[in-house]
Amino acid sequence: AQSVAQPEDQVNVAEGNPLTVKCTYSVSGNPYLFWYVQYPNRGLQFLLKYITGDNLVKGSYGFEAEFNKSQTSFHLKKPSALVSDSALYFCAVRGSYNFNKFYFGSGTKLNVKP
Amino acid sequence: DADVTQTPRNRITKTGKRIMLECSQTKGHDRMYWYRQDPGLGLRLIYYSFDVKDINKGEISDGYSVSRQAQAKFSLSLESAIPNQTALYFCATSDTTALEQFFGPGTRLTVL
Repeated sequence: AQSVAQPEDQVNVAEGNPLTVKCTYSVSGNPYLFWYVQYPNRGLQFLLKYITGDNLVKGSYGFEAEFNKSQTSFHLKKPSALVSDSALYFCAVRGSYNFNKFYFGSGTKLNVKP
Repeated sequence: DADVTQTPRNRITKTGKRIMLECSQTKGHDRMYWYRQDPGLGLRLIYYSFDVKDINKGEISDGYSVSRQAQAKFSLSLESAIPNQTALYFCATSDTTALEQFFGPGTRLTVL
């Protein structure tokens, strides 16, 4: 079965510091992994995806994610956090056998303090 | 994303009432999805549709039904609303590659 786990409900970081939002996955076959961000009163917005190739994926707003097959992880990172990065972040995996199903993690609230 | 719109944005209703949530998209995508979001649970798939004639159940379809009136429109109905259907509902679309989903702004539904 496909699943995604986000072990941290909340991450607090000071502005200017690096940030990491963790995600681990379980999937049969090759994983298709995604990160989305949700700002208050808005729908989810796509940040980046991993399909194949380089383990370090670059996305929108300066975010990147590192795919680690041995640890089945896909952590979201940013070298220098901004207050405006404060939002809810979701990791997702696409089903291996049903390409039209996406499985989302429970979300991690990122708080960036000035 | 303005390309995917949902109406209403907020709705308060009573137990037992029938409710319809509507979704429209201008992205020209074939695939459309309905999710519900609950705190601490993330997004869970209710129904999805490949095209007008293809409707599929997701993880939590009980108590819900859908209608794909056209490529651009996908409606979600709660036949007889109950309080545990209080949630934030999102519509999403994707193209045939299904490598990215585009979400509407959400509908906040409260069932009293």
